[in-house]
Amino acid sequence: EAQVTQNPRYLITVTGKKLTVTCSQNMNHEYMSWYRQDPGLGLRQIYYSMNVEVTDKGDVPEGYKVSRKEKRNFPLILESPSPNQTSLYFCASRPAAGDSYEQYFGPGTRLTVT
Amino acid sequence: AQSVTQLGSHVSVSEGALVLLRCNYSSSVPPYLFWYVQYPNQGLQLLLKYTTGATLVKGINGFEAEFKKSETSFHLTKPSAHMSDAAEYFCAVSVEYGNKLVFGAGTILRVKS
Repeated sequence: EAQVTQNPRYLITVTGKKLTVTCSQNMNHEYMSWYRQDPGLGLRQIYYSMNVEVTDKGDVPEGYKVSRKEKRNFPLILESPSPNQTSLYFCASRPAAGDSYEQYFGPGTRLTVT
Repeated sequence: AQSVTQLGSHVSVSEGALVLLRCNYSSSVPPYLFWYVQYPNQGLQLLLKYTTGATLVKGINGFEAEFKKSETSFHLTKPSAHMSDAAEYFCAVSVEYGNKLVFGAGTILRVKS
């Protein structure tokens, strides 16, 4: 089944403890992206990647890092999480070619930082 | 900067009534527009999309939306609401050559029996 997977789905952590949220897609998509969802704000882009070793900042990159060493994986790294990073996180992917720029979303990771 | 405005953070309709969720966008170029639905504790599912061509777009679950360039709108409708339509709906526009989706704040649809 074609899909975007994220792990973990739920995570509770403490301030300052480094964590990584993994994202993987099996559709051979070149483009991948991370968003965070907050009530009343919709989804906002954190980082995106056009291909392996090519990443760029979105609208809210502060406090996050990403890497793209393999085409299928795009992990999100929080080096020193803070409570304001408590949010619902979505990974998405899409093919480079195509006529609509439609993005396919993972199931989400709910992160709580205490 | 491009933006998306969804009028009404909460909309309540009776089962069988018309559903109308409003979306207005700002974009300096012809837009690619999307509606996504999020059911409780689930991810985002694409309802429908507009790229080019016919301005009335049909999607899944009986939903449709009409792109009106003169009004910069992309409102979502469904003739008859069903209890299973209760969810949060997001309108989005693709910008920067597909590198980013700009989302509205979302509208929570409640369907009353």
